[in-house]
Amino acid sequence: GDSVTQMEGPVTLSEEAFLTINCTYTATGYPSLFWYVQYPGEGLQLLLKATKADDKGSNKGFEATYRKETTSFHLEKGSVQVSDSAVYFCALSDNGTGRRALTFGSGTRLQVQP
Amino acid sequence: EAQVTQNPRYLITVTGKKLTVTCSQNMNHEYMSWYRQDPGLGLRQIYYSMNVEVTDKGDVPEGYKVSRKEKRNFPLILESPSPNQTSLYFCASSFASGSEQYFGPGTRLTVT
Repeated sequence: GDSVTQMEGPVTLSEEAFLTINCTYTATGYPSLFWYVQYPGEGLQLLLKATKADDKGSNKGFEATYRKETTSFHLEKGSVQVSDSAVYFCALSDNGTGRRALTFGSGTRLQVQP
Repeated sequence: EAQVTQNPRYLITVTGKKLTVTCSQNMNHEYMSWYRQDPGLGLRQIYYSMNVEVTDKGDVPEGYKVSRKEKRNFPLILESPSPNQTSLYFCASSFASGSEQYFGPGTRLTVT
């Protein structure tokens, strides 16, 4: 079945540092890929998405590129802020079977220190 | 404002006492889903609904029931809660199964 693997956290960075959170996936067919963010005490919010190979999703300074050859969708940001502290989830959709909207990774907690 | 609402936000109960967590969306979405979030496991789907009166099991349906009598509402029912159902629960909706999911704020349930 489909699966998503994320790097374990927590990831602790200083403000203005470069961020990479690794995400790889296993899926049959051609899934869409997502990054969701969960701020403390809140539900998940869509951060960015990519629907086909080589697409780059971007939002709020975050970027991720859909790499079919390496089955990866790594999240990057050039300069993190304290307000970026949250849990980040990589996810994929099965696009067409209709049964299951999203398969999530286990989440990566990011802590940004001033 | 487009949103998914859940109630209650926090609930502490005892083993065996039936409970219902409500979920409502105001976006006219066809697809709705329930997830539970546990440390180290990410989010796992409990049940989903493709439309009114159409529901199906997700990855971890045991001990849960759902219903979809109206498009906007998708309650989660625990007929006889057990301590292993202590978790953080999220309801989500979307236009279609593969499109962006909108999540509710979560319900933290503790079963003693």
